[in-house]
Amino acid sequence: AQKITQTQPGMFVQEKEAVTLDCTYDTSDQSYGLFWYKQPSSGEMIFLIYQGSYDEQNATEGRYSLNFQKARKSANLVISASQLGDSAMYFCAMRTSGGYQKVTFGTGTKLQVIP
Amino acid sequence: GAGVSQSPSNKVTEKGKDVELRCDPISGHTALYWYRQSLGQGLEFLIYFQGNSAPDKSGLPSDRFSAERTGGSVSTLTIQRTQQEDSAVYLCASSPGDFQQYFGPGTRLTVT
Repeated sequence: AQKITQTQPGMFVQEKEAVTLDCTYDTSDQSYGLFWYKQPSSGEMIFLIYQGSYDEQNATEGRYSLNFQKARKSANLVISASQLGDSAMYFCAMRTSGGYQKVTFGTGTKLQVIP
Repeated sequence: GAGVSQSPSNKVTEKGKDVELRCDPISGHTALYWYRQSLGQGLEFLIYFQGNSAPDKSGLPSDRFSAERTGGSVSTLTIQRTQQEDSAVYLCASSPGDFQQYFGPGTRLTVT
């Protein structure tokens, strides 16, 4: 069974500072993908970044980077130079590649950026 | 191009009534997912369609929940004999088959 754990229900960060949102995962599959989504108060789910289990380089997308540590089964999201618009819920998710490609989401971290 | 659309955006229903929620995926996307998000919670997987394969229904919480996808496109999630605990936002997402899911705006269901 797949499981995603996000241990930080809420985080605060000062504007322009960097912040790391934690995510650990559990799967017995060798091939899987890890995602981060942002959900502002408006409710839409916005895809941020993806990391494949065989990707050797950490994924980066603008101010977002994914710190992938396979042996530790962690996929932390790093947001650099936080902006007020980054205040939102952030969800880590995992999809396995074999058979049915069900996606499992974590419980989320609420990030608040302080001016 | 057009994104994933869902209707209605809001639905208020009385306990015991049946409801149908609709999802129009992005044209050409072969995969379609339904999720439920209760207030302040993460996303709970409900059901997954991929092409013409049998759907993965492993997330449906009870036999009151069912979903179908007609012609590999539009999907309808039906909840029979609604209960108050069914109140949530129901999110649909479609995917072209790679890793990325594109989410719709959701349907907020309130059961009174």
